[in-house]
Amino acid sequence: GIQVEQSPPDLILQEGANSTLRCNFSDSVNNLQWFHQNPWGQLINLFYIPSGTKQNGRLSATTVATERYSLLYISSSQTTDSGVYFCAVTYSGAGSYQLTFGKGTKLSVIP
Amino acid sequence: NAGVMQNPRHLVRRRGQEARLRCSPMKGHSHVYWYRQLPEEGLKFMVYLQKENIIDESGMPKERFSAEFPKEGPSILRIQQVVRGDSAAYFCASSALGTSETQYFGPGTRLLVL
Repeated sequence: GIQVEQSPPDLILQEGANSTLRCNFSDSVNNLQWFHQNPWGQLINLFYIPSGTKQNGRLSATTVATERYSLLYISSSQTTDSGVYFCAVTYSGAGSYQLTFGKGTKLSVIP
Repeated sequence: NAGVMQNPRHLVRRRGQEARLRCSPMKGHSHVYWYRQLPEEGLKFMVYLQKENIIDESGMPKERFSAEFPKEGPSILRIQQVVRGDSAAYFCASSALGTSETQYFGPGTRLLVL
């Protein structure tokens, strides 16, 4: 099956700092989503981004499908950004509907 | 515009009991997916259903687990004779179309087996 690798596994930021999270995948994908799992365990959709660039407030994401990676940018981080960020993909080999998740990046933003 | 609803949010069962987890998809969505988050394994696909049909259950354990999505009412994930290893967060997601489209996740059900 497809491999989804996220880096770094852990990240500690001072409030106000910027960060870049990376997601590499081993095969062509149909769908790529970024999620934030907050400290209460809820999974929040951030972006649906199989290719290209999108922005939503302080967050933006870029997927370069031909090079098989995606980046999530967080600017001016806030303590509420803490949690685990997951990248998940679907690909033709699994019916194009099974999301395969990476192991996540655990972000801690300290005041 | 209600999102994906799951209940209960927390469920405690003793070994050997049954657990029933419910999921109501977003309005207008007819595709439902269940995922499980185990502490050491991350989030894994379990099953994909459409109304009255199981499309793919390749991620479901072969025994004790079953899922349905009836014509009326929520999707149900049923775990019979629960064991401690079933303790996990179970997430339901839904989409309007079945392939290559945004899946929207519910808040999850946290199952604890004593």
